[in-house]
Parts: sequence; structure tokens; C-alpha cells
Amino acid sequence: AQKVTQAQTEISVVEKEDVTLDCVYETRDTTYYLFWYKQPPSGELVFLIRRNSFDEQNEISGRYSWNFQKSTSSFNFTITASQVVDSAVYFCALSEAKIYNQGGKLIFGQGTELSVKP
Amino acid sequence: NAGVMQNPRHLVRRRGQEARLRCSPMKGHSHVYWYRQLPEEGLKFMVYLQKENIIDESGMPKERFSAEFPKEGPSILRIQQVVRGDSAAYFCASSPGQSLAKNIQYFGAGTRLSVL
Repeated sequence: AQKVTQAQTEISVVEKEDVTLDCVYETRDTTYYLFWYKQPPSGELVFLIRRNSFDEQNEISGRYSWNFQKSTSSFNFTITASQVVDSAVYFCALSEAKIYNQGGKLIFGQGTELSVKP
Repeated sequence: NAGVMQNPRHLVRRRGQEARLRCSPMKGHSHVYWYRQLPEEGLKFMVYLQKENIIDESGMPKERFSAEFPKEGPSILRIQQVVRGDSAAYFCASSPGQSLAKNIQYFGAGTRLSVL
């Protein structure tokens, strides 16, 4: 069965520190996608990134970077030089590959609440 | 470009009443997903719909819950005879297609249901 684990429930850092949010997943599919979403205090869910299972290249977008390692089934998210506006709950998710290679439901981890203090 | 629109943002119901949650997908998106976020829990999948079809309802409770996505109009998540345990945030997401390559789900702001 598919499963996503975010072992860190809460993380608190001081502004300008780097912080890494861990995500470990389980799946039997060979084709799958991994996602990160941000849920700020206002409550909406904001899409951050999607990676497919065939592309293990790390990705950087501004202060955000993602490290995908199939060997350890991990898809970790690093925020460099954190800012107060980064305070949010961050969710890692896995998309199943259903019949006919269709996209389907997202399986979410429990989320990591990041608090960045000034 | 409007995003995924959910209404109402907040809904208060008394036990036994019906709750109707609406979701209008992003323009050009024909696939809708509903998720529920219970207090202290992560997001759990409920149902996946395409226009006029339910593709996957494996996360829907067996009773009182139903969903539709008609040819015209928004998707509706309907909860009959609400109970206190239904109090949660309900999120709708839409995607442009069914293939994995198109399956980026964009979320609405959610509907917070409170059952008194």
C-alpha cells in the first residue's frame, strides 16, 4: 500500500536559518509522482512542486530546493535562509498510478508545521 | 485566471441538517477531487470525479456522503444528517487531465464545516 511519512510534526527555527523537511514514501508502483504543498495560516493549499519517479535530479527554485532519492524513498525539501513568511504547514504527497496510467488521488503525509521566528 | 473556487468558506450546521459544499474547478479543468482535513489529521482523499462520472470513491464514507459533478455547474459534495464528527475542512482540487503527466492538482481555499 502507498504511504507517506513526515516524521517531523513541528519544527521551529530562527529567521535566516536553513531548514530541511523530511518525507519518506512507500509504493509498489514504478511510475508515480511526488508533490509538496504549503498550507499557510490562512488555510489554503498551495502547490509547490511535482517530481516524477524517473527524474531524480535535484531541483532548486529560489530559496527552495528538493532532494529526491529513490534508493532511500525520500523526497526532502530544504528552505535556505528561512523567512517568517515561510511559516506554514508543509505536506508531502504521493500520486498513485492507476489503471491506464491515469493520475489519481493524492496520498498525503501528516504534515510538518514550520515556525520561523524573527 | 480564477483558481479553484469553493463556497461557502465557512458553513455552520446543526446536527441532522444537510450540508452542501460547492466547487468550481479552474478554467479548462474537467477533473475534480475532494479531500477532508480533520482536526489534528492530514488530508484524506474522499472522491475523484470527472464530468458526470465518479472515477474513484474509495475514500467516501459509506453513508450520508455523496458527490456529483454535473455536465453544467459546480461539483457538489453533499453530507446528509450531519454529525459532530463531520466537522472538518473540506478541500476541492482540480486538474486538467487524467494522464499522470497532467495530474497536478490545484486546490481551493476549502470549506470549514462546523456542526453544532
